[in-house]
Amino acid sequence: GGIITQTPKFLIGQEGQKLTLKCQQNFNHDTMYWYRQDSGKGLRLIYYSITENDLQKGDLSEGYDASREKKSSFSLTVTSAQKNEMAVFLCASSIPGLGHAEQFFGPGTRLTVL
Amino acid sequence: DAKTTQPDSMESTEGETVHLPCSHATISGNEYIYWYRQVPLQGPEYVTHGLQQNTTNSMAFLAIASDRKSSTLILPHVSLRDAAVYHCILRVAQGGSAKLIFGEGTKLTVSS
Repeated sequence: GGIITQTPKFLIGQEGQKLTLKCQQNFNHDTMYWYRQDSGKGLRLIYYSITENDLQKGDLSEGYDASREKKSSFSLTVTSAQKNEMAVFLCASSIPGLGHAEQFFGPGTRLTVL
Repeated sequence: DAKTTQPDSMESTEGETVHLPCSHATISGNEYIYWYRQVPLQGPEYVTHGLQQNTTNSMAFLAIASDRKSSTLILPHVSLRDAAVYHCILRVAQGGSAKLIFGEGTKLTVSS
């Protein structure tokens, strides 16, 4: 088995601040994902990466940057935090390809912007 | 993007068999149907998946309509630990990989 670690667990920021969230996986998976989840809602894809140094935009990429520094890690940056924003950011990983591939999720980073 | 529709919530009692419906009327031929569940303060956890045929595993039975426009996740003999939000998801191809299209999910409450 493996595990996905997200840091920090909780993040409090100020309006306009640049904030970075980190994700590490030890599954040796090629593909990694960042999702945003608002309270009581489903997940929306922000960015994904199919291999080291690759980046693909999801449905919600505006306002975010991402970086796949190495196979095991994938970072997400909120370029300018919005006042009163509250959301959970979830990282996931999977094997590549178009066939069946279970995505494994981390526990999330909970963002609050004051 | 293809989308799914689920009831907002369902209630059950321990020991019952629960049927969680999902509608995906615009599903394409190569899109997989996935079910994940999520409890508070955790990320979603894989339950099962299917393409055309019904599937079963230790957690659930997935019944897929012959036209693939709907599916039902069947949880036999639920316990308190099965209380969660159940997400019915389509896995769609994008750029050489695939992404999950989440809806809002069904919140399943289990009482003793």
